Amino acid sequence: NAGVTQTPKFQVLKTGQSMTLQCAQDMNHNSMYWYRQDPGMGLRLIYYSASEGTTDKGEVPNGYNVSRLNKREFSLRLESAAPSQTSVYFCASSDGLQRGHNEQFFGPGTRLTVL
Amino acid sequence: AQTVTQSQPEMSVQEAETVTLSCTYDTSESNYYLFWYKQPPSRQMILVIRQEAYKQQNATENRFSVNFQKAAKSFSLKISDSQLGDTAMYFCAFIIQGAQKLVFGQGTRLTINP
Repeated sequence: NAGVTQTPKFQVLKTGQSMTLQCAQDMNHNSMYWYRQDPGMGLRLIYYSASEGTTDKGEVPNGYNVSRLNKREFSLRLESAAPSQTSVYFCASSDGLQRGHNEQFFGPGTRLTVL
Repeated sequence: AQTVTQSQPEMSVQEAETVTLSCTYDTSESNYYLFWYKQPPSRQMILVIRQEAYKQQNATENRFSVNFQKAAKSFSLKISDSQLGDTAMYFCAFIIQGAQKLVFGQGTRLTINP
């Protein structure tokens, strides 16, 4: 049981380059999330998808786009990377709204450096 | 706006001691869930314990327990008989029932010394 998987684990980009972070879950969860984690701060929500076919902005969406490809996969795209996007990115999933406890399960994270 | 505050950026204790991590939060909602997540050096976010706000009884998971004070909006984590493997960042978080946004505190870096 893989849970939530993310690729790649590490990435270095130059300013202005684009890339897509991939996330997949095998728990049949309806909701998926992208967070970023910066030093001295907790995780902040970038975008989320409450169900297949829907996406919504979180707390810090600027500079990012997302795609909910199907129920399993939720990708995060940086169209033109900036040094301010250097961070660790986490994907998470949840079906807690059905069970009432809202627990989110996290992937291992992607460390992204933008030079 | 919902916020979570962890006032202890770093803590350090000796192995086998008991340690308490503090967390306060602010919300006008009455139905919500509270969580403590552990993040070891591997970066993986691991759920340690969960508390439903409508339950008065404090949650317990083996050596981990919480002191939930709803009126004071306080949710502290107690780790008993601490072990070297407890060394990690600990994040307090909460989510409003029916909402999607999990709100995190800034984290407390806990070091267990041999």
